[in-house]
Amino acid sequence: GQNIDQPTEMTATEGAIVQINCTYQTSGFNGLFWYQQHAGEAPTFLSYNVLDGLEEKGRFSSFLSRSKGYSYLLLKELQMKDSASYLCAVKDSNYQLIWGAGTKLIIKP
Amino acid sequence: GAVVSQHPSWVICKSGTSVKIECRSLDFQATTMFWYRQFPKQSLMLMATSNEGSKATYEQGVEKDKFLINHASLTLSTLTVTSAHPEDSSFYICSARDFGAGDGYNEQFFGPGTRLTVL
Repeated sequence: GQNIDQPTEMTATEGAIVQINCTYQTSGFNGLFWYQQHAGEAPTFLSYNVLDGLEEKGRFSSFLSRSKGYSYLLLKELQMKDSASYLCAVKDSNYQLIWGAGTKLIIKP
Repeated sequence: GAVVSQHPSWVICKSGTSVKIECRSLDFQATTMFWYRQFPKQSLMLMATSNEGSKATYEQGVEKDKFLINHASLTLSTLTVTSAHPEDSSFYICSARDFGAGDGYNEQFFGPGTRLTVL
């Protein structure tokens, strides 16, 4: 079966750095996405990785290792507005998005 | 950027009635639209993939006679929840694929979601 694992919940302090991990086992791989979802809202796109390595975009960076089936999302200089759920999704061989359950990130002052 | 709208944003209905949710791509043509359902504190669950001008493809376990999907044009797809029951109460989200974009980068754009409550 296809499976995406990420921690259920994480807590971090405002101004700090947090890393949210995602491991996946899917039938084929055509890219990995990170989305941010605030409570009661639809997901919004954060990043996309299809090749190994680190993609940096402002305060957010995303890393991919295809051989390890592993990705992480790194958030720097955390702000209170970063409190949200972060969803990892993998596009499989059929170009279907397989979603993780999401990681709820709680930011404390 | 590409914008997807959903209407209504929330709806409350009585058990046994039908509810229609619209998903529109406002500034691009969407050959493919996706319908998701999300229960509280759970991940997105793909219900069906809707292609313009053809029948929708439903995921395993999703009743096609209960969740009617129509993708009549390149900018509009509708989801009708027929004979709704309280267990159908959920957050329904659509996304649309940009006809002009190739597979790979963020070619799926999400609507704001519709919260359905069935009494």
